Amino acid sequence: AQSVAQPEDQVNVAEGNPLTVKCTYSVSGNPYLFWYVQYPNRGLQFLLKYITGDNLVKGSYGFEAEFNKSQTSFHLKKPSALVSDSALYFCAVRSTTSGTYKYIFGTGTRLKVLA
Amino acid sequence: NAGVTQTPKFQVLKTGQSMTLQCAQDMNHEYMSWYRQDPGMGLRLIHYSVGAGITDQGEVPNGYNVSRSTTEDFPLRLLSAAPSQTSVYFCASSYVAGGSQETQYFGPGTRLLVL
Repeated sequence: AQSVAQPEDQVNVAEGNPLTVKCTYSVSGNPYLFWYVQYPNRGLQFLLKYITGDNLVKGSYGFEAEFNKSQTSFHLKKPSALVSDSALYFCAVRSTTSGTYKYIFGTGTRLKVLA
Repeated sequence: NAGVTQTPKFQVLKTGQSMTLQCAQDMNHEYMSWYRQDPGMGLRLIHYSVGAGITDQGEVPNGYNVSRSTTEDFPLRLLSAAPSQTSVYFCASSYVAGGSQETQYFGPGTRLLVL
């Protein structure tokens, strides 16, 4: 069965410091991996995705993520955090070999950037 | 281009009542889906569709029905509401082709309270 784990409910980081939001997954075959961000009382917004190719993916607002197949991880990173990055972040996965279009989301990690 | 729209924004139901949550998209996306978001549970897939006339179950389909008669619309029906269906519901759409075009766009959500 497919699954996604976001081991940290909340991550606190000082403004200007690098941030990492962790995601590990379990899926058969080659996965498509996604990061979304949710601001208060809003829908989810797409940040970035890994489909194939370069393991380092760059996305919106200066975020990037590294696909690590051996560790089955897809951690979200940013070199210098902003207070405006404070939000709820979701990792999602879809198996490309299951024959379905079922996306599995993690439980979310709340990022708090402190001024 | 309105993207993904959802109505209503907020609804209160009594146990046993029925209602339909509306979702529409104007991006000609083949794929549409419904999720529910609950605290600590992340987003869970209820139903999805890969085109008009084609629907399939997600993780938590019980108590919900869907149909897809047009590319644009994907309504979610609660036939007999239960308090356990109190949640925030999100609709999303995407191209199905995969690869670079596979990105879900989310609506603003419907907050449902079942008493």
